[in-house]
Amino acid sequence: EVQLLESGGDLVQPGGSLRLSCEASGFTFSSYAMSWVRQAPGKGLEWVSSISGSSITTYYADSVKGRFTISRDNSKNTLYLQMYTLRAEDTAVYYCAKSGGSGYYYPPDYWGQGVLVTVSS
Amino acid sequence: QLVLTQSPSASASLGASVKVTCSLSSGLSTYAIAWHQHQPERGPRYLMKLNSDGSHIKGDGIPDRFSGSGSGAERYLIISSLQSEDEADYYCQTWGTGIWVFGGGTKLTVL
Repeated sequence: EVQLLESGGDLVQPGGSLRLSCEASGFTFSSYAMSWVRQAPGKGLEWVSSISGSSITTYYADSVKGRFTISRDNSKNTLYLQMYTLRAEDTAVYYCAKSGGSGYYYPPDYWGQGVLVTVSS
Repeated sequence: QLVLTQSPSASASLGASVKVTCSLSSGLSTYAIAWHQHQPERGPRYLMKLNSDGSHIKGDGIPDRFSGSGSGAERYLIISSLQSEDEADYYCQTWGTGIWVFGGGTKLTVL
């Protein structure tokens, strides 16, 4: 059974940093691209970032480019999202998502339960 | 430009059928999309990948009541025999070079 378990959400001040983790199980982690998707309060789903199975390729939404870094540790079956210079508009539930294949052109076929990040003073 | 447009809301009666529409922006009529269901307080759930010809591949455990079809730049999610647990937000999603794009979502109310 595929499971994705996010952690690391917290209340952080504007300008602060935070690292999210997503522990995966039930599939060969290194064979699949992984992504982060977020949902701000009252809003729809917004793609944040994706990473290939080998970590060779990473992609970012313009809204987070230069501030967020996606990475993965295939030996630990874990996906990360390092967030810097956080803004109020980054407040959202962040979801980890597994792609249906090795590239970005596979839609997510499994999602985590999400973790809340609140950016506020 | 990758833009997916969805009606904000839809409603149908218990036991009836409903069609949720996703409109692709100009020039994207050959694009495949995916449909996801998002119930309150839960993570989203992948329903299916829907190709431009209407063929689709459903996710694990998705009931036969969920199906998809397409016509030109429109993609449809059809839910038959509506159940109360189908009340949720439904998102279409597609992808370009290194990006994913989501539609704004359709809130389905089961009457």
